[in-house]
Amino acid sequence: NAGVMQNPRHLVRRRGQEARLRCSPMKGHSHVYWYRQLPEEGLKFMVYLQKENIIDESGMPKERFSAEFPKEGPSILRIQQVVRGDSAAYFCASSPTALRRRSGNTIYFGEGSWLTVV
Amino acid sequence: GENVEQHPSTLSVQEGDSAVIKCTYSDSASNYFPWYKQELGKRPQLIIDIRSNVGEKKDQRIAVTLNKTAKHFSLHITETQPEDSAVYFCAADGGSQGNLIFGKGTKLSVKP
Repeated sequence: NAGVMQNPRHLVRRRGQEARLRCSPMKGHSHVYWYRQLPEEGLKFMVYLQKENIIDESGMPKERFSAEFPKEGPSILRIQQVVRGDSAAYFCASSPTALRRRSGNTIYFGEGSWLTVV
Repeated sequence: GENVEQHPSTLSVQEGDSAVIKCTYSDSASNYFPWYKQELGKRPQLIIDIRSNVGEKKDQRIAVTLNKTAKHFSLHITETQPEDSAVYFCAADGGSQGNLIFGKGTKLSVKP
């Protein structure tokens, strides 16, 4: 059973370009979470999605950032017109159901995508 | 919304000593409290978790305690080893839809 798969693992973009980060959840998981980790800092929640729905995007910057989780295919975190401050590790995680729904449920992280903006 | 505070931010212990990391949370509706270990350049990995119907849970050298009344929970590592050196994060399911909110992390250094 493959874990949470993220790609690319490393991405370099020039200021003003677009970055697309992809996440395939674990098999059987329909809930996806995106977190951002700046160097030497903690994990900051960005967005929580279920298939075709955004459940909670309270941690997403209002501009340039968007996320989707289509019926078919991976979840995508899209950053338009990247700036140096977007340089960070972006972690995706997944769970089979909502955390509060079921006892014994937890979230599992992917290996992360490291974005460098030059 | 939920706020998770974690202390200390750095912790240095001698090999064989115990390490304790403490977290507090603000949302009384939270009922799931996992702990993650993150090595440099790697993903966070779940090491132990506890739910609100349990006060303490132990797995070999690692234990977690929960005090729901005081809204705090702690990670205890006994007989520390150099390979325990990493950043440890606590979390609570306190987001508006139950997503995990993390503390800022504790960098643990175990000196041989």
